[in-house]
Formats: sequence, C-alpha cells, structure tokens
Amino acid sequence: DGGITQSPKYLFRKEGQNVTLSCEQNLNHDAMYWYRQDPGQGLRLIYYSQIVNDFQKGDIAEGYSVSREKKESFPLTVTSAQKNPTAFYLCASRGPGTSGRLQETQYFGPGTRLLVL
Amino acid sequence: RKEVEQDPGPFNVPEGATVAFNCTYSNSASQSFFWYRQDCRKEPKLLMSVYSSGNEDGRFTAQLNRASQYISLLIRDSKLSDSATYLCVVNMRGSQGNLIFGKGTKLSVKP
Repeated sequence: DGGITQSPKYLFRKEGQNVTLSCEQNLNHDAMYWYRQDPGQGLRLIYYSQIVNDFQKGDIAEGYSVSREKKESFPLTVTSAQKNPTAFYLCASRGPGTSGRLQETQYFGPGTRLLVL
Repeated sequence: RKEVEQDPGPFNVPEGATVAFNCTYSNSASQSFFWYRQDCRKEPKLLMSVYSSGNEDGRFTAQLNRASQYISLLIRDSKLSDSATYLCVVNMRGSQGNLIFGKGTKLSVKP
C-alpha cells in the first residue's frame, strides 16, 4: 500500500535537546512538506522540498532544519533554538492520490506530537 | 487580511440535517481549491476538490465563485461520522504547489 509514514507518534523533548522527526513516503512524489499545527490554529509551513537535495524555508523555519538526501525521506530536526516546540507536526507529499479519482494535491502522514518535558 | 477565512463554528446539527460551510480567500491569483477533513488529533485528509462548475460527491457538494472569491461545502443528510473539522484550502498560481489552509470549521452531528 502506498502512503506516508511518520515516526514516532509521540516525542518528548528535554530543554536544550535537538530531536528529529521522521517522514517517509513510497508514493514516488517529488515534493514534500513539513507543517506545524497548534491547537485552534491552521497549518503553518515550516520547510518544503520540491526535489531531492533541495529545500526551501516556509513561513516559520526558525529553530528547525531539514534534509532531503533521498526522494522517499524528509526528516525534520527541531533544534534547541525553537523555544516553543510543543505542537502537532505533519508531513505531506504532493502528487496524484492513490485512488484514481483523487487529483494532484498534498497528502498527509499521521503526524507526530512533540511535547516538552 | 487573512488569506483563507472560515467560520470556526462549532456547527451543532442533528443527524439528517443539511449543513453548509463557507470560505473566502483573499488572493485572486488562487488557482486550485480543496476541502479537507480533519478528525480530532488526526491528519487532514482530502475530502474533495472544488471545480469552477461546482461538483458533487455523494452527499457532499462543493461550489466556487471566483468573482466573489468564495467557496462553499454543502453536506446533505448528515451522519454522526461527519463530525470533524473541515479545512478550506487554496493553491495559488506560481506557488510551487504550496497550499494555504484555513483554520477550519468544526462540525458536530448529534443523534
């Protein structure tokens, strides 16, 4: 089955610690995205990548870093510089859906909830 | 002005009711339009695209008014399982596929 996976489902970060969130897709999509969602808020774009070995800052990139060494993988690191990291982090990839009737748009993984200890 | 605006709700409706959500977008260069559904503590999932001529998928009907920069979603014969937050999403021309998300409208369908 094609899809997007994120791990872990829950992640706890201590003060001053860097943590990395995993995102993998087997949909053969070129573009991948990271969003942050806070309670009662819309999705905010952190970073995106249109192709392997290239990525761009989104609206709220400060305190985050990414890499795109493989088409399938787009990990996000939340650095100690991110002072308010508690949020729901969503990874997405863009392309046609897995069902024939779904047009090209972004499809999301199940998300990672990051909590600060 | 916010780029995509929605009434946050909540809309509390009985089973079987018809309910409509509206959304306005500020950028006239917007090119593609979607409704996503997000269940509590889950990821958003594509519900349907919105086409200029209007489109229907079962109990769901989406409409677009480019002149007024307005999108709507109509749900007929509401089911308990329709309870969720509905996100209005817009893709602007030249945005490299980046989407602009509304904050969502919460729907609660009661027995």
